[in-house]
Amino acid sequence: QVQLQESGPGLVKASETLSLTCTVSGDSVSSTYSYWSWIRQAPGKGLEWIGYDYYIGTTKYNPSLQSRVSISLDTSKNEFSLRLRSVTAADTAMYYCARIGTGDDAIHIWGQGTEVTVSS
Amino acid sequence: SSELTQDPAVSVALGQTVRITCQGDSLRRYYASWYQQKPGQAPLLVFYGENNRPSGIPDRFSGSTSEDTASLTITGAQAEDEADYHCNCRDRSGYHVFGPGTKVTVL
Repeated sequence: QVQLQESGPGLVKASETLSLTCTVSGDSVSSTYSYWSWIRQAPGKGLEWIGYDYYIGTTKYNPSLQSRVSISLDTSKNEFSLRLRSVTAADTAMYYCARIGTGDDAIHIWGQGTEVTVSS
Repeated sequence: SSELTQDPAVSVALGQTVRITCQGDSLRRYYASWYQQKPGQAPLLVFYGENNRPSGIPDRFSGSTSEDTASLTITGAQAEDEADYHCNCRDRSGYHVFGPGTKVTVL
C-alpha cells in the first residue's frame, strides 16, 4: 500500500523559500510508473498543479510558477521535495504531494496535505 | 488553451442521477481524471481514463468523454457523495490542469 507523507514548516516569511518534503512508503521514487508531484489548494479555492519530477530527471512545472519552483527526488531517502522561492501571501495554501501514473496520468495517491501560511 | 471549465455547483435529489461536466480543448486528445474532495480531506481519485474506477469506488460513479467535454455521472446519488468534484487533464506539453471544481449537494 503506497503512502505519502508531507513534512515541513507550517509558517514561512514572505520573500523567503518554502521547502517541503514528501516521504514515500510502499513504492520507490525510482519507479518507472510514477511521476512524483506537488499540488496545492489555497483556502476556499480549487486545486492547482505545481509540477512533478520523474526518476530520469524529467521535470514539468506549472508555467505560472516555473520561475520560482523546483522539485527533486532523493532516491537514497525515498522522498521528494518542493522548493518555492520568493513566497508571498498568495502562496498560502494546503500543499499535497501525490503520485501520478505515467501510463494514465491519473493522480492515484495523495498525501494528507500540509498547511503552509506565508506571513508578512 | 489548456484551461478546464466546470459548473460551480449542482444539486441532486437522494437516489437520483447527476452529471458533472468538464470542458476544455485538451479533452479532445487526453482523458480526464476525476477527484472527490470532502471538507478537510485530501482529494480521492474516483474515475480516470476511458473507463477506469479505482478499487473501492462504487460503481455508481462512471465517466465518459465527447469531443471537448468529459462527464462524471453519479447514478443513484447517496448522501456520502456530497462533495467537491475536480477534473484534471494533461496537455500536449505534459502539464496538468485542474478544473475549478463542482460542488455537489445531495438533497
